[in-house]
Amino acid sequence: QVQLVQSGAEVKKPGASVKVSCKASGYSFASFYMHWVRQAPGQGLEWMGIINPSDVNTRYAQKFQGRVTMTRDMSTSTVYMELSNLTSEDTAVYFCTRGPTGEAELDSWGQGTLVTVSS
Amino acid sequence: SYELTQPPSVSVSPGQTARINCSGDVLPKQYAYWYQQRPGQAPLMVINKDTERPAGIPERFSGSSSGTTVTLTISGVQAEDEADYYCQSADNSATYVVFFGGGTKLNVL
Repeated sequence: QVQLVQSGAEVKKPGASVKVSCKASGYSFASFYMHWVRQAPGQGLEWMGIINPSDVNTRYAQKFQGRVTMTRDMSTSTVYMELSNLTSEDTAVYFCTRGPTGEAELDSWGQGTLVTVSS
Repeated sequence: SYELTQPPSVSVSPGQTARINCSGDVLPKQYAYWYQQRPGQAPLMVINKDTERPAGIPERFSGSSSGTTVTLTISGVQAEDEADYYCQSADNSATYVVFFGGGTKLNVL
């Protein structure tokens, strides 16, 4: 079955960077896009961007342009999301979520990674 | 525009029908998707492409679309359906973007 397993919780200081991983299994890694969505405490879902593992093409939400980088490692079927210059407003649960190529649905989700930004 | 509007909350009694609306200018042109999120869990897609129910989702969940509004209907609501529900769509007319509604808390009284 499809599984997306994310790395563990992180605590970072303001100004630092965080890199969250998402290891995929149970399907053809190159055949599906991977999105990143975050959720601040008590708030709704916010889309951050998308990576196509087959060609490393990325699209980022305007809000995160210049601060987010999405990469992938084909050898381990893992995608990464790095967010830099963290502030307290980046405290959130970060989810990776799979989407079929060319479609906008998000059909499988990782368990989420809590990133806490605190001095 | 990239806005989807949902009511903050909907309340129903067990066995009744819950309807959650989502409105947005993009919806006549793009599909909508619905996700259920229980506390402490990742979202789960319950409706795909306006009206399709993914495998494993109970038949009491259905979706419909009319103009700039899509609706998630839960018939015969059960206590386990109490959760947050989010609509989602996407637009690739200028640049690719995915966006969510603000979410609706379904209260089962």
